[in-house]
Amino acid sequence: KNEVEQSPQNLTAQEGEFITINCSYSVGISALHWLQQHPGGGIVSLFMLSSGKKKHGRLIATINIQEKHSSLHITASHPRDSAVYICAVPSGNEKLTFGTGTRLTIIP
Amino acid sequence: DGGITQSPKYLFRKEGQNVTLSCEQNLNHDAMYWYRQDPGQGLRLIYYSQIVNDFQKGDIAEGYSVSREKKESFPLTVTSAQKNPTAFYLCASTVGHRGYGYTFGSGTRLTVV
Repeated sequence: KNEVEQSPQNLTAQEGEFITINCSYSVGISALHWLQQHPGGGIVSLFMLSSGKKKHGRLIATINIQEKHSSLHITASHPRDSAVYICAVPSGNEKLTFGTGTRLTIIP
Repeated sequence: DGGITQSPKYLFRKEGQNVTLSCEQNLNHDAMYWYRQDPGQGLRLIYYSQIVNDFQKGDIAEGYSVSREKKESFPLTVTSAQKNPTAFYLCASTVGHRGYGYTFGSGTRLTVV
């Protein structure tokens, strides 16, 4: 079974700051997912990546397959970015193992 | 556009009642999954189905039941045997290529009072 660790668990920052959330996993994978969960609970898929880097607006996701590590960056953070960010990796029979999430709060 | 529909977003039930959560996908995905989220914990697998009329228990299947009569639909029933049913429930589906092609529903928050 793949073990997933996210850090930090909680992160509070001022509006405009550059944000980094980290995800490490124990077993080699084919793809890693980043998800966003807003206070209402709904989940949005942000990225699926298997190598290198992907960018969508102010969000950037990177992955280092050799190091078994991925990072999610947010540039010019805004209060609407406040959410829980979750990474997930495959763990046999196509099911996913999820991290416990990073709760991000951006203060105006 | 293709996707997964979970309904309703919020659901309230009285203790002792069974409740069924809906999950429908129009992506032609073979595999479907139900996950549960509790505060401070990662999402955990309840049940999954890789093909119609077949499904397997996940890590926390006790107190839940599912059916997969159609490719598009994978409803989850939370029975009265589930001791702590209040949670966030997430449905997902995939084409089944080693982690690629995963699509997620937006989730249902169930509160049992």
